[in-house]
Amino acid sequence: DTEVTQTPKHLVMGMTNKKSLKCEQHMGHRAMYWYKQKAKKPPELMFVYSYEKLSINESVPSRFSPECPNSSLLNLHLHALQPEDSALYLCASSRDSEAFFGQGTRLTVV
Amino acid sequence: AQSVAQPEDQVNVAEGNPLTVKCTYSVSGNPYLFWYVQYPNRGLQFLLKYITGDNLVKGSYGFEAEFNKSQTSFHLKKPSALVSDSALYFCAVRAPISNYQLIWGAGTKLIIKP
Repeated sequence: DTEVTQTPKHLVMGMTNKKSLKCEQHMGHRAMYWYKQKAKKPPELMFVYSYEKLSINESVPSRFSPECPNSSLLNLHLHALQPEDSALYLCASSRDSEAFFGQGTRLTVV
Repeated sequence: AQSVAQPEDQVNVAEGNPLTVKCTYSVSGNPYLFWYVQYPNRGLQFLLKYITGDNLVKGSYGFEAEFNKSQTSFHLKKPSALVSDSALYFCAVRAPISNYQLIWGAGTKLIIKP
């Protein structure tokens, strides 16, 4: 099983809303990631969790708040987003080398 | 600065012909090298990797890639292209002490024409 599951697949939210993105993997991977991807561009790293601890925060605005409740789950809490935050948000996990990605959440901020 | 270059924004190939998608990198040490494919409105799918060993690595869907240390290249190849191979392809590199961070190429759109 090399599956990373993300929910929801699509999300439309207003600039005053609070929402959460969820990610789950059962491959025993100890590193989990959040990426942001704009159309036809490479993904941009946002956060890395290693052994359930935040190890990298790529200077992401505080309106994005990650959470790792356990070794299989990763959440991204969203609050007061801006229209320019509209993008595909990808979750990934890895053990030693390659990362496996979820299908992403297509987020539209209105 | 460390970087990955995919010199072609788009590659057009006729179905049945061989294809090559180019990738060169500038990373210190002995990096890990990866290719990913992305279909429209989908996540990234891992295709193959090079860490050490044989310079020719085989991956999913009949793809292979050749590592060339002297030219710092890791070109993606397939002997006979399919229309279903049409997608966006990303090369990525991880430096040995990068702490999980990948350096990505800009991506190459591959179009296979029937």
